[in-house]
Amino acid sequence: ETGVTQSPTHLIKTRGQQVTLRCSSQSGHNTVSWYQQALGQGPQFIFQYYREEENGRGNFPPRFSGLQFPNYSSELNVNALELDDSALYLCASSLGQGGTGELFFGEGSRLTVL
Amino acid sequence: GQNIDQPTEMTATEGAIVQINCTYQTSGFNGLFWYQQHAGEAPTFLSYNVLDGLEEKGRFSSFLSRSKGYSYLLLKELQMKDSASYLCAAASGGSYIPTFGRGTSLIVHP
Repeated sequence: ETGVTQSPTHLIKTRGQQVTLRCSSQSGHNTVSWYQQALGQGPQFIFQYYREEENGRGNFPPRFSGLQFPNYSSELNVNALELDDSALYLCASSLGQGGTGELFFGEGSRLTVL
Repeated sequence: GQNIDQPTEMTATEGAIVQINCTYQTSGFNGLFWYQQHAGEAPTFLSYNVLDGLEEKGRFSSFLSRSKGYSYLLLKELQMKDSASYLCAAASGGSYIPTFGRGTSLIVHP
């Protein structure tokens, strides 16, 4: 069974740039959620995709956007990067309907915005 | 909106028992999760409660009271490796999307 994998693991960008983070979900999972975790904080929900459709969105501006592909992998795109976007971005996969919602997290992508 | 409250930090002695409390306010409650997160690592699932009562799983137990909006995680026979952040998360809505608290940093000392 393949776990959740994210890439890249670390990256540095400058303010105003754009970034794309990638996530491969665990085998058999059709739901992917993205979270932002600042240092010393809990994960903050960005959005969730279920079978290629956005299924819920947290309190993040439109410059945070995403995609889910037919193989259930996913991308998180952030435009016009700001310093406060520096954080660990966690992807989590789960079984959508019929599951308890238990999340299986990847190791995360640590983004630094200078 | 949703609100999750848990203590910021706790310390305990190896071999002891510690209880980490969590209170929540949410609409359309669909269950309460506990996750463990070691420094620099991804959160890992510990427990899920949707009905009132205590669920025991080895050294870890989790309790839920829906009427009080309250949960706790009980860790017995503490080991040094239990030093980590413990995240309480309440799920709501049809999609079971968990909202996480800030996490409780547990420090276990000899």
